[in-house]
Amino acid sequence: EAQVTQNPRYLITVTGKKLTVTCSQNMNHEYMSWYRQDPGLGLRQIYYSMNVEVTDKGDVPEGYKVSRKEKRNFPLILESPSPNQTSLYFCASSRENRGRSDTQYFGPGTRLTVL
Amino acid sequence: GDSVTQMEGPVTLSEEAFLTINCTYTATGYPSLFWYVQYPGEGLQLLLKATKADDKGSNKGFEATYRKETTSFHLEKGSVQVSDSAVYFCALRGLGSGTYKYIFGTGTRLKVLA
Repeated sequence: EAQVTQNPRYLITVTGKKLTVTCSQNMNHEYMSWYRQDPGLGLRQIYYSMNVEVTDKGDVPEGYKVSRKEKRNFPLILESPSPNQTSLYFCASSRENRGRSDTQYFGPGTRLTVL
Repeated sequence: GDSVTQMEGPVTLSEEAFLTINCTYTATGYPSLFWYVQYPGEGLQLLLKATKADDKGSNKGFEATYRKETTSFHLEKGSVQVSDSAVYFCALRGLGSGTYKYIFGTGTRLKVLA
């Protein structure tokens, strides 16, 4: 089954404790992306990757890191989480066709609470 | 920079009513435009898209036309069902500006009453 998986689905942590949210896709997609969803703000893109070893900032990259060492995986790293990073996070992937990407497929989301 | 503005919700309609959710955008170059839908407790899924001016995207009875002259991509459905209750997001992906970011609107919650 074609899918995007994220782990964990729920996480409660404390300020300053490094964490990683994993994202994996089995569709051989070039484009992968991380978003955060907050009430009243919609979805905002954190980082995206056009392919292996190619990443770029979205609109809200501060406080986050990503890496793309393999095509299927795109982990999101919070080196020192703060309460303002409490949010619902989505990973997504899509084919890439000369800059016009195909349908984005979204993971089920990770609800992160930073105390 | 690029931006998307969509009407605030919630929108509450009776079953079989006509739906319009407005979306306007600001972008350099020639963006692709999308509508995504989020059902309760789920991730987003693509509803429809249009990649150039005057294109009409359609799916499951929903339609939206890419209007370059008015920079709009309004979502319409002739007769909504209770199962259409969800949050709808308008989005764009810009081209020609050297970036491949996605910009989403704030979402419009639709509630359809039986």
